[in-house]
Amino acid sequence: GAGVSQSPSNKVTEKGKDVELRCDPISGHTALYWYRQRLGQGLEFLIYFQGNSAPDKSGLPSDRFSAERTGESVSTLTIQRTQQEDSAVYLCASSSRPSGIRTGELFFGEGSRLTVL
Amino acid sequence: DAKTTQPTSMDCAEGRAANLPCNHSTISGNEYVYWYRQIHSQGPQYIIHGLKNNETNEMASLIITEDRKSSTLILPHATLRDTAVYYCILPGGQGNLIFGKGTKLSVKP
Repeated sequence: GAGVSQSPSNKVTEKGKDVELRCDPISGHTALYWYRQRLGQGLEFLIYFQGNSAPDKSGLPSDRFSAERTGESVSTLTIQRTQQEDSAVYLCASSSRPSGIRTGELFFGEGSRLTVL
Repeated sequence: DAKTTQPTSMDCAEGRAANLPCNHSTISGNEYVYWYRQIHSQGPQYIIHGLKNNETNEMASLIITEDRKSSTLILPHATLRDTAVYYCILPGGQGNLIFGKGTKLSVKP
């Protein structure tokens, strides 16, 4: 399809395990964003990529969280030593413009639902 | 932190116009206002954005006050499928969008 694709759609893991969440942005979109949404809450910004670099990592909640992007395409969000408070939907978005201005609105995927037992 | 304030919830009768207000008193001269919505269990969806002129597209209209400190999103004929959380957003420092809690719009038959 032509939209943002995320995998897995659902992930259940045990506390202390590492998880990797994947995002395939829309082809040609240079900007990529990760957000977290806990149950019943709003979206929490995590990190933003422009190309392969991450000018804004301010939202990563701890050093257990990391993200990378290769080839201006796929991005992976890694959570090490997962905790129960990491349970949330992790949403990825891409944009054809870095700041989402003018015609560069964000296109979101359906998210990866992470449950940490 | 979000730079906008919105009512927590609103109701609207099906077929009537839904008017969703947003205050953004700290907006700077070149900041756009964005509106997104999130239908239950889906990712957010872009609706419309504007700088200072009123904007209209196939989904909605956006009315921005002359001083740009507030705006109103208008869904002219709300349907049950418009039930969602509506977010009014200003860009963050690095161009990311900071989502607040939004307005939960319930369209009732």
